Amino acid sequence: DVKVTQSSRYLVKRTGEKVFLECVQDMDHENMFWYRQDPGLGLRLIYFSYDVKMKEKGDIPEGYSVSREKKERFSLILESASTNQTSMYLCASSGGGHITGELFFGEGSRLTVL
Amino acid sequence: DQQVKQNSPSLSVQEGRISILNCDYTNSMFDYFLWYKKYPAEGPTFLISISSIKDKNEDGRFTVFLNKSAKHLSLHIVPSQPGDSAVYFCAASAGKGGSEKLVFGKGTKLTVNP
Repeated sequence: DVKVTQSSRYLVKRTGEKVFLECVQDMDHENMFWYRQDPGLGLRLIYFSYDVKMKEKGDIPEGYSVSREKKERFSLILESASTNQTSMYLCASSGGGHITGELFFGEGSRLTVL
Repeated sequence: DQQVKQNSPSLSVQEGRISILNCDYTNSMFDYFLWYKKYPAEGPTFLISISSIKDKNEDGRFTVFLNKSAKHLSLHIVPSQPGDSAVYFCAASAGKGGSEKLVFGKGTKLTVNP
């Protein structure tokens, strides 16, 4: 069964802390994505990556960075967490040159910043 | 500026009846459209898609209609079942239909009452 696994389902952090959100996929997909989901705002793209060590900014990259050292793993980093980063974070992957546009999502990581 | 709009935040229908979820878009470069379904505390899952060269795509109880001139698409669920209760996201992409730049709407929460 294909899977996108996010390391933490629920996290509580304090303002100013560094936060790592890890995502691993077992489908040998080239493309990986980080979204955040907020009520009334839908899914917004933070960063994505087409290949190892490559990254592209999405629509809301401010306050975030990413790391893709291995094909299967894509990490989202909050260098100094702030309360407005309290959200549901969703990792997704898709195959390279994929023509159907289908993304496979993880179960999400609910982050609360106090 | 919102490129993909789902103007109804919620929809309630009776079991067995038809559910119609609507989506409008503004970017004429979009050529691939997808619907995702999301249950609480889970990641979104792909439901159905349609290319701009078609005006209808059907998969079991789910049918997506595309009206390019009106920049409008809709998802029909017939018959609706209580298990269909979820948030539905409309998404669109430009170029080759690749998923790398999917733009999501804000979602419509569907409730199917027994």
